[in-house]
Amino acid sequence: KAGVTQTPRYLIKTRGQQVTLSCSPISGHRSVSWYQQTPGQGLQFLFEYFSETQRNKGNFPGRFSGRQFSNSRSEMNVSTLELGDSALYLCASQQGAGSPLHFGNGTRLTVT
Amino acid sequence: DAKTTQPPSMDCAEGRAANLPCNHSTISGNEYVYWYRQIHSQGPQYIIHGLKNNETNEMASLIITEDRKSSTLILPHATLRDTAVYYCIVLAWTSGYSTLTFGKGTMLLVSP
Repeated sequence: KAGVTQTPRYLIKTRGQQVTLSCSPISGHRSVSWYQQTPGQGLQFLFEYFSETQRNKGNFPGRFSGRQFSNSRSEMNVSTLELGDSALYLCASQQGAGSPLHFGNGTRLTVT
Repeated sequence: DAKTTQPPSMDCAEGRAANLPCNHSTISGNEYVYWYRQIHSQGPQYIIHGLKNNETNEMASLIITEDRKSSTLILPHATLRDTAVYYCIVLAWTSGYSTLTFGKGTMLLVSP
């Protein structure tokens, strides 16, 4: 099986712009989670989707949003980008309750 | 959600066993312990997980204390490729959905 695929791999944006990141989960995985990783804060949970519904959300401002499609693919959007949004954004998929999360290699976002 | 405590760094000689400790003193009865590792610029890689019993797979062994307040990940014969940041994670279940609490991880340096 193919692993979790995230596109694009790298992005450079300027402050005030918006960005959309894409994630394709492992085939058959219906749960998709998103995380932000920075050197100072480590890994932080953004949100989780299951069957096109957001099941849980981390402590991030409303500028961060996401959605999941019927084929389980997911996108996250960040509007009005700030310098502090520069980070590695990771997507993970899960087969079912209690099963391991499988991560993609992330999208490296740089905001200038 | 339960939180974890790990040493910030550890060293190990190539070929020797690497024993990485993790404290999760507030873990609840239905929470799993997961271990991941992350090599620079890649997404976290799943290693192993367990609930109560010790577990072993082709990568590592997981030893969980009887009171479940701590665990140890054992890499039996460390190689240079095992140099990475290792995360001990407790999976919390709330009302049917899940979220992960990540610690800062342990930077394991395997030396020749």
